[in-house]
Amino acid sequence: TQLLEQSPQFLSIQEGENLTVYCNSSSVFSSLQWYRQEPGEGPVLLVTVVTGGEVKKLKRLTFQFGDARKDSSLHITAAQPGDTGLYLCAGARAGGTSYGKLTFGQGTILTVHP
Amino acid sequence: KAGVTQTPRYLIKTRGQQVTLSCSPISGHRSVSWYQQTPGQGLQFLFEYFSETQRNKGNFPGRFSGRQFSNSRSEMNVSTLELGDSALYLCASSLYGGRPNEQFFGPGTRLTVL
Repeated sequence: TQLLEQSPQFLSIQEGENLTVYCNSSSVFSSLQWYRQEPGEGPVLLVTVVTGGEVKKLKRLTFQFGDARKDSSLHITAAQPGDTGLYLCAGARAGGTSYGKLTFGQGTILTVHP
Repeated sequence: KAGVTQTPRYLIKTRGQQVTLSCSPISGHRSVSWYQQTPGQGLQFLFEYFSETQRNKGNFPGRFSGRQFSNSRSEMNVSTLELGDSALYLCASSLYGGRPNEQFFGPGTRLTVL
C-alpha cells in the first residue's frame, strides 16, 4: 500500500481551466513538499509546507496542508500549457528516524491543451 | 549557487556488471539522499548520507551501496546488475536532512541494463 495516495493519476484539461490535485495519507507528516518533474529531468521543488492548516501561494498555484498534517492539495487556477508535467507530493514522516527520507506519492500527470 | 550535479547522465550496462554513480550536492549542503525512479514503483528512497555516515536506508538489497566523502560529494554503487535495476537514479541534497527535509534534486542518471 502506498503511504501517500495521490489523485488523480492523470489529468487532461484545456487552457484556462482550474484543477486540484490531492495527496492523502493516514500518517502524520512533519513536512510536505510538492515537486514538478519534466521528462528525463529531476523533480523541481515548488513549495514546502510544515504547519497544519498552512496555505501557500505561488502565482497561480495554491498549496494547502491539512490541519492534522495528513493531507495536502495543490490547486492551479487558469492552467496554461507551460503547467504540463508530472506533479509529485512528498512527505517526511513525523517521529522516528526519517533523516533525508521523503516518501513520494505516485504522481499526477497533468496535460494542459492550448 | 550551482545546483545538484550528477554524472554520468546516461549509462548502459549488461547484467552482472557493476556501476558507480556520482553526485555533487549544492554547496553547503551536507545531506545527500538517493532515490530510484521507475514507471511502476515511482520514487523509492535508497539511502541518505550525512557527514560521511549513512543515517537512513530504504528497502533495497545489499547490492545497492553508497558512500559520502568529506566534501559531501556522494557515490552510489550497484553490483551484479539485474534487468530490474534499469531506472532513473536521482540524488537530492539538503542542508541537514532533518525537518523540514527540503530536498533539491539533480537531473538524474538514466541507467539501462541489457
